[in-house]
Amino acid sequence: SQQGEEDPQALSIQEGENATMNCSYKTSINNLQWYRQNSGRGLVHLILIRSNEREKHSGRLRVTLDTSKKSSSLLITASRAADTASYFCATVLFSGGYNKLIFGAGTRLAVHP
Amino acid sequence: DGGITQSPKYLFRKEGQNVTLSCEQNLNHDAMYWYRQDPGQGLRLIYYSQIVNDFQKGDIAEGYSVSREKKESFPLTVTSAQKNPTAFYLCASSIAPFRLGLDQPQHFGDGTRLSIL
Repeated sequence: SQQGEEDPQALSIQEGENATMNCSYKTSINNLQWYRQNSGRGLVHLILIRSNEREKHSGRLRVTLDTSKKSSSLLITASRAADTASYFCATVLFSGGYNKLIFGAGTRLAVHP
Repeated sequence: DGGITQSPKYLFRKEGQNVTLSCEQNLNHDAMYWYRQDPGQGLRLIYYSQIVNDFQKGDIAEGYSVSREKKESFPLTVTSAQKNPTAFYLCASSIAPFRLGLDQPQHFGDGTRLSIL
């Protein structure tokens, strides 16, 4: 099973609406990161939230972290068609003798004009 | 502009053939990574390198090989031993090797899509 799992798998909304994506993880973390991937492109780092932070903002993005529930959410406010992409959360896992970044399967967001 | 360049964008492999994917970065990053992405899935780590002339296997290294002779270059070879190579391959880099307690976002190239002929 994955360290990070996003929910929902797919989300379809109209421009101007808010989009909320959730991420659950299994082990203790130092930080959690969110990335965005446009179709056929690489990932772009959006925001990092540390384990001692509860909320963080960056432009139209708002990330929350609840370490007691081992979950995080990414909120995109006033969505635009250009926000259409897949969104991944990533956490650090120490496994096999080294630290590695574990990505979930992602949430595919479609924003319709 | 600084960034990571992957080439080619599309690659086709014949049965029994080895192919090499290029990854070059001019960000002066020490750490570099190769990931494999299958449709509808997250990324899985193939190999990573913390510094020049050093690299370590990730979760799915079988059938792949890498080298790190220069700081800016981390090529990935998909060998004939990899029986299911069709996937999207992503190269990434970060300032320093990924360690707990360090906030290190990874920077990604635009990927190479590998298919079987």
